[in-house]
Amino acid sequence: SAVISQKPSRDICQRGTSLTIQCQVDSQVTMMFWYRQQPGQSLTLIATANQGSEATYESGFVIDKFPISRPNLTFSTLTVSNMSPEDSSIYLCSVSPRADEKLFFGSGTQLSVL
Amino acid sequence: ELKVEQNPLFLSMQEGKNYTIYCNYSTTSDRLYWYRQDPGKSLESLFVLLSNGAVKQEGRLMASLDTKARLSTLHITAAVHDLSATYFCAVDPPGTYKYIFGTGTRLKVLA
Repeated sequence: SAVISQKPSRDICQRGTSLTIQCQVDSQVTMMFWYRQQPGQSLTLIATANQGSEATYESGFVIDKFPISRPNLTFSTLTVSNMSPEDSSIYLCSVSPRADEKLFFGSGTQLSVL
Repeated sequence: ELKVEQNPLFLSMQEGKNYTIYCNYSTTSDRLYWYRQDPGKSLESLFVLLSNGAVKQEGRLMASLDTKARLSTLHITAAVHDLSATYFCAVDPPGTYKYIFGTGTRLKVLA
């Protein structure tokens, strides 16, 4: 299993600014995933972050807008850059300790952009 | 593009009734996962199905997987109000190293 601490839990930001979300895991994991969940919607994968390599972004998400760091096997950050109201969403980090194991989720970051 | 579709999207049911949620996916996968999300909360794992024919049960919920049909079902028996939540299925196709979520089913159980 894995316990994930994600922060901040919520934030209200001004248009044009950036926010960095942190995700700390209580054990070493190879793969970490960042998802976005818009109100009433499903989860959309933003990127997969593996330690020691560049993050792999899904279609529609780019590194300049969502830079990700993965400095070690227990920590990752996602930055939402140059925010607009369309970025208002819940952002979730998740990990899979082993292949074919379920995902464990952080508590999420609710972001509102004014 | 991999698609994971659930139906129904919304389900309102009376306590004590039975119902089934369906999850269809568009590519080969031997593994499927079910999650529950309460309003304002993160996701909680319910079931992990790792092979064709797998069946898991927990309380009033039972999940099954048919990899040939690319279909999973989540059956609810004698629903109670506490089961009200949004349910998601997810797949991680071999070699993709990522988990793709279904559209979600918002369940409301009426007392």
